[in-house]
Amino acid sequence: KAGVTQTPRYLIKTRGQQVTLSCSPISGHRSVSWYQQTPGQGLQFLFEYFSETQRNKGNFPGRFSGRQFSNSRSEMNVSTLELGDSALYLCASSPGTSGGLSSYNEQFFGPGTRLTVL
Amino acid sequence: LAKTTQPISMDSYEGQEVNITCSHNNIATNDYITWYQQFPSQGPRFIIQGYKTKVTNEVASLFIPADRKSSTLSLPRVSLSDTAVYYCLLSEGLTGGGNKLTFGTGTQLKVEL
Repeated sequence: KAGVTQTPRYLIKTRGQQVTLSCSPISGHRSVSWYQQTPGQGLQFLFEYFSETQRNKGNFPGRFSGRQFSNSRSEMNVSTLELGDSALYLCASSPGTSGGLSSYNEQFFGPGTRLTVL
Repeated sequence: LAKTTQPISMDSYEGQEVNITCSHNNIATNDYITWYQQFPSQGPRFIIQGYKTKVTNEVASLFIPADRKSSTLSLPRVSLSDTAVYYCLLSEGLTGGGNKLTFGTGTQLKVEL
């Protein structure tokens, strides 16, 4: 099976612009989660999508949004970019479950998109 | 408030066994203990996970005491390629389904000849 793919791998933007990142999960996986990784804050959970619905959300401002398509591919958008948004953005997919407390679903990470805001 | 605490760094030599201990005093009933490995400019890679007692796979062992307030990742006979950051994290099972991963600061393991 092909792994999780993310595009683009590298991106340079300027303050105030917006950006859209894309993630293609492993075939058959229905859950996609997004994380932000910075040297100062480490890996932080942004949000998770399952069956085109945002199921869980971390503590990020509304400038960070996402969506998931019927084929489970997901996009993440950041509007009005700030210098502090420079980070490695990671996407992870898992089989997911449709409801109820679940046993652990291993999350498979993509290589990430390195975003630099100037 | 960090949910896990682990050493910032560790050094070892090839062929040695490495044990990385993680504290998670406030672990919840539906939390699973999970370890990931990350190389520079790559996404984290799953190593092992467990709920209680001992778990072993082809690359590592995970020891969890009865109170589950800590866990130890054991890497047998490390090699240079095991140099990476190792994250201990709790995977919270959510009522609506799925898991939320909370990453700590990680342990930078450096393996030398």
